[in-house]
Amino acid sequence: EAGVTQFPSHSVIEKGQTVTLRCDPISGHDNLYWYRRVMGKEIKFLLHFVKESKQDESGMPNNRFLAERTGGTYSTLKVQPAELEDSGVYFCASSRTWNTEAFFGQGTRLTVV
Amino acid sequence: AQTVTQSQPEMSVQEAETVTLSCTYDTSESDYYLFWYKQPPSRQMILVIRQEAYKQQNATENRFSVNFQKAAKSFSLKISDSQLGDAAMYFCAYRRDLQGAQKLVFGQGTRLTINP
Repeated sequence: EAGVTQFPSHSVIEKGQTVTLRCDPISGHDNLYWYRRVMGKEIKFLLHFVKESKQDESGMPNNRFLAERTGGTYSTLKVQPAELEDSGVYFCASSRTWNTEAFFGQGTRLTVV
Repeated sequence: AQTVTQSQPEMSVQEAETVTLSCTYDTSESDYYLFWYKQPPSRQMILVIRQEAYKQQNATENRFSVNFQKAAKSFSLKISDSQLGDAAMYFCAYRRDLQGAQKLVFGQGTRLTINP
């Protein structure tokens, strides 16, 4: 069984540009989560999908961030326009049900210069 | 709001010895879960061990065990017979036992080095 896959693994963009991160969850996992770790600090929750619906987006920092999960399969996280403080590692995780183990991807390291 | 604190940014241990990583948390909830995750360099984060708050018995997984002190809101991880493959970032995490509110709240992480 394939694990959670994230693309790209690294991205370096200039301030003001747009970047789209992608997450492919484990097949059959209805729950998909995005997290972010900035500058060696704690990993912080961004949002949670149940299938294609946003269950909890309380962690989204501002309206420059847009997450989608069309069809309830893969998810994208777009940052537009990117700012320096958006640099960090973005993790995606998925779980089959709300109270089963969450499996994480390797993360996307985003650097905004 | 729930918070998780890991007060040890870095720890090191000799191979084959035992090391304990500390974690404290703050919550007003009575039903929750606690986790230790491990992230080896350039690899995916994986679940090491999980503890249900309603269980008094400490969870164990082979060489990994926890000391769960609910009243003190403490959740330390003990790694016995440390191996080189245990070198990683370790994150303590909390999750409410409530559908729709199951986001993980993480600590800052502890980088564990194993000395051969």
